[in-house]
Amino acid sequence: ETGVTQTPRHLVMGMTNKKSLKCEQHLGHNAMYWYKQSAKKPLELMFVYNFKEQTENNSVPSRFSPECPNSSHLFLHLHTLQPEDSALYLCASSQRVNTGELFFGEGSRLTVL
Amino acid sequence: GQQLNQSPQSMFIQEGEDVSMNCTSSSIFNTWLWYKQEPGEGPVLLIALYKAGELTSNGRLTAQFGITRKDSFLNISASIPSDVGIYFCAGQEGLTFGTGTRLTIIP
Repeated sequence: ETGVTQTPRHLVMGMTNKKSLKCEQHLGHNAMYWYKQSAKKPLELMFVYNFKEQTENNSVPSRFSPECPNSSHLFLHLHTLQPEDSALYLCASSQRVNTGELFFGEGSRLTVL
Repeated sequence: GQQLNQSPQSMFIQEGEDVSMNCTSSSIFNTWLWYKQEPGEGPVLLIALYKAGELTSNGRLTAQFGITRKDSFLNISASIPSDVGIYFCAGQEGLTFGTGTRLTIIP
């Protein structure tokens, strides 16, 4: 138990569906992150939020839409995804932004048909 | 963007052996971190390094921040079955990750 909870753990969706991934951290951290993990590739940073404000968008396609209503919750809204978007999506938090000591959730395994 | 080259990509060792892996960057980093990921889990931080030349231990794990600031090393002594997993280096406050070293222990 890392203090970062992601739901759902598994998600299968069609290319025309709209779904959301949820992340909640119970650590009192101020920064939250979305990473994408694909087979044979390094973890790719997608978004960074610091005190609910987005501080980094790593050239992520607009079909991925993040939302951070408060420092404890982070969402990733998905719509009109492509099969190549199938991956493990990891949420992480840290006490302060860009300190490097990240606490990861267990991830949401996404399959796009 | 910044790239981290991690080697080896995979290791097959016997229980009790020592393990060494490294990570190199084309850019200078101010922070080096090592994470471990087990199946079905997210990465877990093992060791964080913040100073060039720093050598830090965490139990049987020892990591070093290269003096050039472009590399880092992780050593595991006397490996045990629970060491199995994928080890990732990360640099620059964890925003850049290496491709990982998959450690398998042969019975």
